[in-house]
Amino acid sequence: GAGVSQSPRYKVAKRGQDVALRCDPISGHVSLFWYQQALGQGPEFLTYFQNEAQLDKSGLPSDRFFAERPEGSVSTLKIQRTQQEDSAVYLCASSGKTSMETQYFGPGTRLLVL
Amino acid sequence: RKEVEQDPGPFNVPEGATVAFNCTYSNSASQSFFWYRQDCRKEPKLLMSVYSSGNEDGRFTAQLNRASQYISLLIRDSKLSDSATYLCVVTRSGTYKYIFGTGTRLKVLA
Repeated sequence: GAGVSQSPRYKVAKRGQDVALRCDPISGHVSLFWYQQALGQGPEFLTYFQNEAQLDKSGLPSDRFFAERPEGSVSTLKIQRTQQEDSAVYLCASSGKTSMETQYFGPGTRLLVL
Repeated sequence: RKEVEQDPGPFNVPEGATVAFNCTYSNSASQSFFWYRQDCRKEPKLLMSVYSSGNEDGRFTAQLNRASQYISLLIRDSKLSDSATYLCVVTRSGTYKYIFGTGTRLKVLA
């Protein structure tokens, strides 16, 4: 079946621009996660949704970062007034009936802020 | 000190060699353990979960040592296609967040 998909795959933004990154989880998966992966590092947790509820946003680095999942399926990660340090790969993952199940990752969006 | 630590490598090994990676974690309340594989510019993919009793999947063997707080991954008869970054993942008891190590790069040479 279809895996997790993300769009766009690549995004170049000028510093100060707003960006929106989309994640389509595996159909039926209730849990959705966003991670940020800097070059040469492992992914770092940003936020977690169970259905439409954002249960944990402790990893969001600043109030410029905002995530939503209004209907419990597709999620959008928005970054306002992008900075160069926001350049990274943003990975989305989903898991099944419980949040403790294995997470399956999308291909990521590679964001470059100039 | 990071909660999950790995030697970044790279480990350069010839085809057919056996190679082992360790990963240490600092939180004794850690509950679940995984090895993920990440190819260059691709997403992480689950290689195997790690159980207390140890587990094997073909050429891959994973071990967990709770007393010393480390997990290991052994790859036997290395193939060129095993070249990738291997990410150690830990979750804390009762939580869902994956905590990743920085990854260990493996290059299998012909």
